[in-house]
Amino acid sequence: DAKTTQPPSMDCAEGRAANLPCNHSTISGNEYVYWYRQIHSQGPQYIIHGLKNNETNEMASLIITEDRKSSTLILPHATLRDTAVYYCIVRVDAAGNKLTFGGGTRVLVKP
Amino acid sequence: GAGVSQSPSNKVTEKGKDVELRCDPISGHTALYWYRQSLGQGLEFLIYFQGNSAPDKSGLPSDRFSAERTGGSVSTLTIQRTQQEDSAVYLCASTRGLDGNEKLFFGSGTQLSVL
Repeated sequence: DAKTTQPPSMDCAEGRAANLPCNHSTISGNEYVYWYRQIHSQGPQYIIHGLKNNETNEMASLIITEDRKSSTLILPHATLRDTAVYYCIVRVDAAGNKLTFGGGTRVLVKP
Repeated sequence: GAGVSQSPSNKVTEKGKDVELRCDPISGHTALYWYRQSLGQGLEFLIYFQGNSAPDKSGLPSDRFSAERTGGSVSTLTIQRTQQEDSAVYLCASTRGLDGNEKLFFGSGTQLSVL
């Protein structure tokens, strides 16, 4: 799976949008971009994933650049409960492919 | 069940002892993963099961580590002759296993402490 690069940490103000960047310059055409987050002392939680088009669900939006070499996860209105480590992962669309987690971005939402 | 269940939630053992960690995946999920996470670190892949296929053991750190999945459901991760560096949170995840475009559902993990 392609390697991803994320900033190690970032702060965000409560109620504001949080924009989390991820670089995946070596991504292949059949690799999806996934985002998970891990709140302290819990297992990782799926947030969103996409291939080429921008995606939105009840948790977040995913913006993927046209060349697919980078993406941004957007939490539209960050709350204190969004404080977590956010992992950006690229993964081949084939059954059985394990997710390989990098270091992630530690997001701290401040009041 | 409603989610992935792991037991015990905490395990304290002495160096050199064997331990067994259990994972109950979501009902109907054919794919099951084990990861471990050392304090302050990211997730490290250990092993993957998919149906009746041979498991992907490429992440197991040594031959002291082994895992089984009985009846295509419950899985047990066994660590023999535990060492202090085995101390970590061991996480289990499952998916339907139908294709690669699926999200993993994780359990809350087992915190293993080797004294």
